[in-house]
Order: sequence, then structure tokens, then C-alpha cells
Amino acid sequence: EIVLTQSPGTLSLSPGERATLSCRASQSVSNRYLAWYQLKPGQAPRLLIYGASSRATGIPDRFSGSGSGTDFTLTISRLEPEDFAVYSCQQYGRSPLTFGGGTKVEIK
Amino acid sequence: QLQLQESGPGLVKPSETLSLTCTVSGGSISSSNYYWGWIRQPPGKGLEWIGSVYYTGLTYDNPSLKSRVTISVDTSKNQFSLRLNSVTAADTAVYYCARPMWELRPFPAFDIWGQGTMVTVSS
Repeated sequence: EIVLTQSPGTLSLSPGERATLSCRASQSVSNRYLAWYQLKPGQAPRLLIYGASSRATGIPDRFSGSGSGTDFTLTISRLEPEDFAVYSCQQYGRSPLTFGGGTKVEIK
Repeated sequence: QLQLQESGPGLVKPSETLSLTCTVSGGSISSSNYYWGWIRQPPGKGLEWIGSVYYTGLTYDNPSLKSRVTISVDTSKNQFSLRLNSVTAADTAVYYCARPMWELRPFPAFDIWGQGTMVTVSS
């Protein structure tokens, strides 16, 4: 299976700052089949990005994704208060579907 | 709009069977071509895909769960279900049901999720 490793584990930033999150795959992810989710306690996970760089419906343009092969990045250009959460990547290029361990973006 | 809601016991004893149901509202399981999914998140860990089911009953599941998983669908109730047998403390997690972004894709990204239900395995 494809193992996804996210870094850093925790990112401490202030509102208005830029967040850069990494997701590295143990094998190449075919067709850039990489998604990013936002997780908050007690809420349904929210799909942000699919196909490595396509924003899901209703996602603000401060969220962007990039990368291919084994290295992918989620960037939040300017953090809003509601963006402090855990972010998880997922590959869907090969079964079984796998997720990364998550990056927590916390208020500094 | 489409909504998913998980339901089931919040506490299960070790070695017993965990049973959860996902009720779909705002849309019909049988009139769509989605592979409806189950995903879980143990405390302090990442998400894990458990498996997916098509409205015909065709399923795919994660080999890491070593055939302990049964996923089924009841189109008459617009529900799909998860059974996980021989549970241990390692199965303690928030369990989510989810709908894929695309039809006819057994291995997708998921764009609509339930809020999740916490299941604790303990005697």
C-alpha cells in the first residue's frame, strides 16, 4: 500500500500568515490522485482539494494544492481564524485508499 | 441536499461485533452509481479507509482489516451498514460514512461525509 507521510506534525502560525503543508508518498501517486481534507472535532471532514490541485466546490481560493509523483503540498495563503484545524492528505490512485497522519495547524 | 448520518452503539465489548448503519437522506442509494464508503479515525491517529459498497452489494475493503469486515446495503431503507467482528481496543475510533465525488469509482476521494460516531471497545 502507499504510505503517506505528512509534515510537519504541528504548524504554529498566526492569522494572516501563510501555511505550507507537505504530504510525501512512499510510491508515485498515479494521475495526481491526491486529495486534501480539513478535519475539525465533531464536524464532518471537508474535502478541500482533489486531483492534487483542483479546489472542491465552495472552497475559498486561499487554499491551493500542488505537486505530483511523490511530493504534494497544500498551501493556505493567508490563515483565517476558521482555518485552524487538522489537515489530512489521501491518495486514491491505488487500492487500498490511504491517508496521511495529519498536520495540525494551531494558533501561535 | 444529500446528508449522511451514522448510528449504532457507542460501546462494544472486546471480541464482539461492532455494527453501524449509515442513513442517506436527500438522495437515493439505488438510483446513483456511487461506492459508499466507511472510514475511521482512531484517537490521535490518521484516517483509515475501511471499505466501500455499491448499491448492488458489491464491496471492496481494506486488506489490513484481515477479513473482519462486512459491508452491506439496504436500498429499501436507503442505508448501508458496517459490521466489524472480533473487535479489540485498537478498533476504538470515530467511524464515518461518506459518499465519493464521482460515480462508478470504487477508489475515490469523498466529498460528502457524516459527522461521525465514536465507538469505544472496552469491557
